[in-house]
Amino acid sequence: DQQVKQNSPSLSVQEGRISILNCDYTNSMFDYFLWYKKYPAEGPTFLISISSIKDKNEDGRFTVFLNKSAKHLSLHIVPSQPGDSAVYFCAASFGFGNEKLTFGTGTRLTIIP
Amino acid sequence: GAVVSQHPSRVICKSGTSVKIECRSLDFQATTMFWYRQFPKQSLMLMATSNEGSKATYEQGVEKDKFLINHASLTLSTLTVTSAHPEDSSFYICSATSPYGYTFGSGTRLTVV
Repeated sequence: DQQVKQNSPSLSVQEGRISILNCDYTNSMFDYFLWYKKYPAEGPTFLISISSIKDKNEDGRFTVFLNKSAKHLSLHIVPSQPGDSAVYFCAASFGFGNEKLTFGTGTRLTIIP
Repeated sequence: GAVVSQHPSRVICKSGTSVKIECRSLDFQATTMFWYRQFPKQSLMLMATSNEGSKATYEQGVEKDKFLINHASLTLSTLTVTSAHPEDSSFYICSATSPYGYTFGSGTRLTVV
């Protein structure tokens, strides 16, 4: 049972444009969400997170939006850069701290120069 | 920031042998560490939660006698794949909760031949 899903396995975006990656979850008890960037044969790199008490969090080019009623979150990257090409995973947990992460299925983002 | 060191980065072993993977928190103490496995083009799946000084908690479907986890100190957790078989070939990643959030190791590519 995949509790966290990313329905787009891949996404291509022109350099300079906005990249929007989507993530849906089924368990309403999740209250902390994170986005990671990952290259093959490497560990995930943390990008940005959001707790369920917020609906938006911004850090530089990265913004995460959370819609609790729809159980949906999205990551916006603007402007997109060639170095952003990677696989992006969303993850959810029941709180922050020593709680396990449940990862989404991943979206491969390709930035076209 | 916090660093989690994972070794080896890649290992090839013969079927039937055992392999140990180490995960160290270098500049913080980790009472809890997590072990994930990622098959090609798939999500990161949690295998077990490792707690210092106590037995690990395994996810459903993960054989605890095959994947031995030891968390003997606040900075070291080990995963031993016993009697490895080709189907155990995968990418294994550890994670720990640091003051800065979830920090991941660089992963271990295990190939069983």
